[in-house]
Amino acid sequence: DILLTQSPSFLSASVGDRVIITCRASQGISSYLAWYQQKPGKAPKLLIYAASTLQSGVPSRFSGSGSGTEFTLTISSLQPEDFATYYCQQLNSYPPWTFGQGTKVEIK
Amino acid sequence: EVQLVESGGGLVQPGGSLRLSCAASGFTFSSFAMHWVRQAPGKGLEYVSGISSNGDTIYYANSVEGRFTISRDNSKNTLYLQMGGLRTEDMAVYFCARAVAVTGYPTFDYWGQGTLVTVSS
Repeated sequence: DILLTQSPSFLSASVGDRVIITCRASQGISSYLAWYQQKPGKAPKLLIYAASTLQSGVPSRFSGSGSGTEFTLTISSLQPEDFATYYCQQLNSYPPWTFGQGTKVEIK
Repeated sequence: EVQLVESGGGLVQPGGSLRLSCAASGFTFSSFAMHWVRQAPGKGLEYVSGISSNGDTIYYANSVEGRFTISRDNSKNTLYLQMGGLRTEDMAVYFCARAVAVTGYPTFDYWGQGTLVTVSS
């Protein structure tokens, strides 16, 4: 299975900060990567698919980039509602489509 | 409005069985592949299993292969996960998710709220 490693696992940031989360794949996955946001007790919410395509309805402060083995999720100006845990997921070839271990974004 | 509603979770002893259901509405269920993802308490997301729109193609994570069976009934708009030989490490919230492929790139665009499976004696 393809392993995804997110960094950092935890970050503390303030409202208005620029936040960057990295996801590295153990082998090349082209642009078959998605990003999700999850708040406590809730289901994950799709933010970005195909590495850089913003899901409909997601604020434009979220952006994704990368291909191959290295990807980033950027939040250009952190808002109070963005404090959550973020996961990347690879959807290369066939399942199982693995997830990264998550990055928890907390208020500084 | 797309809705996915899981049910069937509960307390089961190690070695026991449980069947989860995911009732879908608001879209043409038979046109979409569906998947199960789980989350152990305080842990991250783990892919469990997936099934194609017509049920012909099925995938499992190594951790559940041979113990879990995914299925679907397109006439009832329902996805199932039959879980057997349950272990304490299977304890988790189980989510069902709809898969779409946009310009050839798959993703999970809708998720249910999850159902909790507790494995304990």
